[in-house]
Amino acid sequence: GQQVMQIPQYQHVQEGEDFTTYCNSSTTLSNIQWYKQRPGGHPVFLIQLVKSGEVKKQKRLTFQFGEAKKNSSLHITATQTTDVGTYFCAGLGEYGNKLVFGAGTILRVKS
Amino acid sequence: GAGVSQSPRYKVTKRGQDVALRCDPISGHVSLYWYRQALGQGPEFLTYFNYEAQQDKSGLPNDRFSAERPEGSISTLTIQRTEQRDSAMYRCASSLVPLVRNEQFFGPGTRLTVL
Repeated sequence: GQQVMQIPQYQHVQEGEDFTTYCNSSTTLSNIQWYKQRPGGHPVFLIQLVKSGEVKKQKRLTFQFGEAKKNSSLHITATQTTDVGTYFCAGLGEYGNKLVFGAGTILRVKS
Repeated sequence: GAGVSQSPRYKVTKRGQDVALRCDPISGHVSLYWYRQALGQGPEFLTYFNYEAQQDKSGLPNDRFSAERPEGSISTLTIQRTEQRDSAMYRCASSLVPLVRNEQFFGPGTRLTVL
């Protein structure tokens, strides 16, 4: 079945440094979604990417969807302490009807 | 406005007991999803509904797990004869339209502990 892998599992950065998490699917995706979960909280939707090679920006966050629609990345520029949390990607297979989540990347920011 | 609510927030039960977990989606949301989230992992799909119809239950681990949404609003996930391996966070999510390609709004979850 479809599998979604995320790396790294964990990253600890100094405030102001950049951060990137990568997501890879075993199968071609029709779309990919990103969620953020704060410590003790629940996943909150950030964005959805649908088109091959798509790039979307939300302030300091940049999301990319690979040309082959099998991988994606989230890049945060100049991290802040408010960026702390776990970032999940979730992929929908081309013929699927359910989201498959990655294990997430935990981001810690040291001020 | 009100988000997705789940009850109870915490449930401790003894092995062999049945439990019922409730999800109250955002009003007007057509689709409702159940996930299980282990510590340090992403949500794992269990089942989902469009209105009252269960569309996919392929993620339910075995026949001890069942879910219903009889009036197309509130949903209940029932686990019969609980086992220790059922201990996890159970999350519900809803979305406005009946397509998976839409933003899902998650509830706070029910933390189930089976002793």
